[in-house]
Amino acid sequence: GENVEQHPSTLSVQEGDSAVIKCTYSDSASNYFPWYKQELGKRPQLIIDIRSNVGEKKDQRIAVTLNKTAKHFSLHITETQPEDSAVYFCAAIDTGNQFYFGTGTSLTVIP
Amino acid sequence: GAGVSQSPSNKVTEKGKDVELRCDPISGHTALYWYRQSLGQGLEFLIYFQGNSAPDKSGLPSDRFSAERTGGSVSTLTIQRTQQEDSAVYLCASSLMGLSSYEQYFGPGTRLTVT
Repeated sequence: GENVEQHPSTLSVQEGDSAVIKCTYSDSASNYFPWYKQELGKRPQLIIDIRSNVGEKKDQRIAVTLNKTAKHFSLHITETQPEDSAVYFCAAIDTGNQFYFGTGTSLTVIP
Repeated sequence: GAGVSQSPSNKVTEKGKDVELRCDPISGHTALYWYRQSLGQGLEFLIYFQGNSAPDKSGLPSDRFSAERTGGSVSTLTIQRTQQEDSAVYLCASSLMGLSSYEQYFGPGTRLTVT
């Protein structure tokens, strides 16, 4: 089955700096890669996603890049703000519609 | 419209008792997932339903865990003879699972504490 690894587990950045979180996956047939944000005590919510036929997708300050050959994808947050502080999870979906989540990255934006 | 709902929001039970957790997905969502999240940890996949059938039960931690879904809607997760290590937040998510959207919508979770 699919195996998703996520790094780093914790990340601290100064407000205004960029943050990058990376994930790798093992199943080359996986075709959908979402990123979820979970604020403390709240449920995970989708912030951006990318399909395997696209290399990059951007939505305001967040972007996701996908390298199918290397089987890795990354979340980029620019001009970070304190409200970006949360745990971020990457995921991959295989051909059986099964989601595999990474272990999460706790992002802290220091004002 | 209404999102995914779960009940109860909190459950405290004694070790050895059985508990039943309920998930009401978004109407029309064919796929339903159960996850477990321990304090400060990631999302541990438990089981996935497509309609009423569960093609993948591999994530259930032991035979004390079972789940069912009826009418392609409500799902219940049952834990028998609860143990302290079962304490966690149990999250349910639903999805359309169509070509246009794989997005999972999560419920607020049930916080289970086994004493």
